[in-house]
Amino acid sequence: EVQLVESGGDLVQPGGSLRLSCVASGLTFSRYAMTWVRQAPGKGLEWVAATSERGGSTHYADSVKGRFTISRDNSKDTLYLQMTSLRAEDTAVYYCAKVNGYEYMDVWGKGTTVTVSS
Amino acid sequence: EIVMTQSPATLSLSPGERATLSCRASQSISNNLAWYQQRPGQAPRLLIYGASSRAIRIPARFSGSGSGTEFTLTISSLQSEDFAVYYCQQYNNWPYTFGQGTKLEIK
Repeated sequence: EVQLVESGGDLVQPGGSLRLSCVASGLTFSRYAMTWVRQAPGKGLEWVAATSERGGSTHYADSVKGRFTISRDNSKDTLYLQMTSLRAEDTAVYYCAKVNGYEYMDVWGKGTTVTVSS
Repeated sequence: EIVMTQSPATLSLSPGERATLSCRASQSISNNLAWYQQRPGQAPRLLIYGASSRAIRIPARFSGSGSGTEFTLTISSLQSEDFAVYYCQQYNNWPYTFGQGTKLEIK
């Protein structure tokens, strides 16, 4: 069974930094693109960032471009999201998801919560 | 950026009824559309990809249709576990974008 487990969510002050991790199991991690999607409290889904199978290609939502960096370590089956210059509006549950063919998200983790507040 | 617009925002139906949810793209996305279901307190789950292909282990009562800019998710006979929020998502262009969601609630 494919599983994705996120971690690293925390309470952080505005302007601070945080790194999220997502460990994959039950699949050949290096064969798949991966993505981060977030959901603010009581709101809908917002796509955040995506990376290709080897990490050579990345894409970002305008709302996080220049502040967030998506990366992966295929030797550790792990996806990362480095978040800097955090704002209150970045408060959300962050999900990692496996991307099928660099298209749709067919496996999701349970999410990790990031709260940006003073 | 492609804007995805879902309607209605809320749909109130009874178990056994048919549900029709709509999703419109601000420009043509061919059939590069997915539908997701999110139950309260849970992560989203893929239902449909390629506008009309059911994902693994998704019941046959779920079906998708459409292409270009107009898409529909149909649930033929609602079961209690189907009352949830549904999102469409386009993957034709970067950035990927989601609709704002349709909440399907019990009448």
